[in-house]
Amino acid sequence: DAMVIQNPRYQVTQFGKPVTLSCSQTLNHNVMYWYQQKSSQAPKLLFHYYDKDFNNEADTPDNFQSRRPNTSFCFLDIRSPGLGDAAMYLCATSRGREAQETQYFGPGTRLLVL
Amino acid sequence: GNSVTQMEGPVTLSEEAFLTINCTYTATGYPSLFWYVQYPGEGLQLLLKATKADDKGSNKGFEATYRKETTSFHLEKGSVQVSDSAVYFCALRTGTASKLTFGTGTRLQVTL
Repeated sequence: DAMVIQNPRYQVTQFGKPVTLSCSQTLNHNVMYWYQQKSSQAPKLLFHYYDKDFNNEADTPDNFQSRRPNTSFCFLDIRSPGLGDAAMYLCATSRGREAQETQYFGPGTRLLVL
Repeated sequence: GNSVTQMEGPVTLSEEAFLTINCTYTATGYPSLFWYVQYPGEGLQLLLKATKADDKGSNKGFEATYRKETTSFHLEKGSVQVSDSAVYFCALRTGTASKLTFGTGTRLQVTL
């Protein structure tokens, strides 16, 4: 089945130690998104790629970066994780950016910062 | 800007009860509307969607109708099961923004 895959499912890192989360997709979608979801809250978009074009949300901290080396893969880099960055990180994809296009989510990576 | 308001949870129902989760929205432009479901420890799964006024989305016994006049997209199911226990998010997307704007989520707990 075509799908959105996230690795690892659980990640533990130390305060200030860089960490990278991975997302891959077999849907061949043009757009890939990273959302942050803190406990009992709605997901919040950090940024997205439309093909190779990177689009950052205005309130995303500089501590969060992303790379998309090819259509299938997208990475979330947290340069210096703080305790407040502990959250579930959700990757999503869509065929296009039009309003009617469905976003398909991966299972998420739960990040714990010690 | 865009916003979504969902009814507060948690909602606790007995199995086979009727479910309604209210969702209203404000949007610039003409939104598409979505319901996502999140099971414990998992990502979001699309439950249903509607892209224009009076459209009805349906899936797995859940339904929601896009009501432009009341700016609403209420989720309903005639007979809930224990396996429906999850958090339900109403969301919208307009042509002017790539992101989904989510409501705060409604936790549903179904008991035997």
